[in-house]
Amino acid sequence: GIQVEQSPPDLILQEGANSTLRCNFSDSVNNLQWFHQNPWGQLINLFYIPSGTKQNGRLSATTVATERYSLLYISSSQTTDSGVYFCAVSSGGYNKLIFGAGTRLAVHP
Amino acid sequence: DAGVIQSPRHEVTEMGQEVTLRCKPISGHDYLFWYRQTMMRGLELLIYFNNNVPIDDSGMPEDRFSAKMPNASFSTLKIQPSEPRDSAVYFCASSLGSGGLGQPQHFGDGTRLSIL
Repeated sequence: GIQVEQSPPDLILQEGANSTLRCNFSDSVNNLQWFHQNPWGQLINLFYIPSGTKQNGRLSATTVATERYSLLYISSSQTTDSGVYFCAVSSGGYNKLIFGAGTRLAVHP
Repeated sequence: DAGVIQSPRHEVTEMGQEVTLRCKPISGHDYLFWYRQTMMRGLELLIYFNNNVPIDDSGMPEDRFSAKMPNASFSTLKIQPSEPRDSAVYFCASSLGSGGLGQPQHFGDGTRLSIL
């Protein structure tokens, strides 16, 4: 099955810093989503982005499907950005999302 | 619009008891998914339904687990008998059709299950 790798596994930032999270996948995809799991355990949809670029406030994402990776950019980070960021993909006519192991982000004031 | 609604939010019960988790998908969505999150295995799909019919249950860990979707607005995941290793956060998600391919999935807040 498709493999999803996220990097880095852990990231510590000072408030106001920028960061880039990466998601590599091993096959073509028809769905790619980025989620933020907050400290209360909720999975928050950030982006649905099987290809192209999207922006939402301080967050933006780019997926280069032909090269099988996606990037999540966080600018001017805030303490509320802390949590775990997951990339999840589905491929090959299957509807199941395969999740990466996540990037754990801690933003300190 | 209301999102995916799961109940209960937290469940603590003793080993051997039956556990029932509930999910109400977003109205109009025809795909429903159950996922489990553990420290060891991360987030993994257990089963999913299309138009109330189970399509892929290959992720269901064993016969103690069962899932049903009696109508388009309700699904249950049951564990009987429960064991301590079933302790996890269980998420329900739903998505809109068009074959269901390439559509974003929307997640509920999860049920945190603890089996003592």
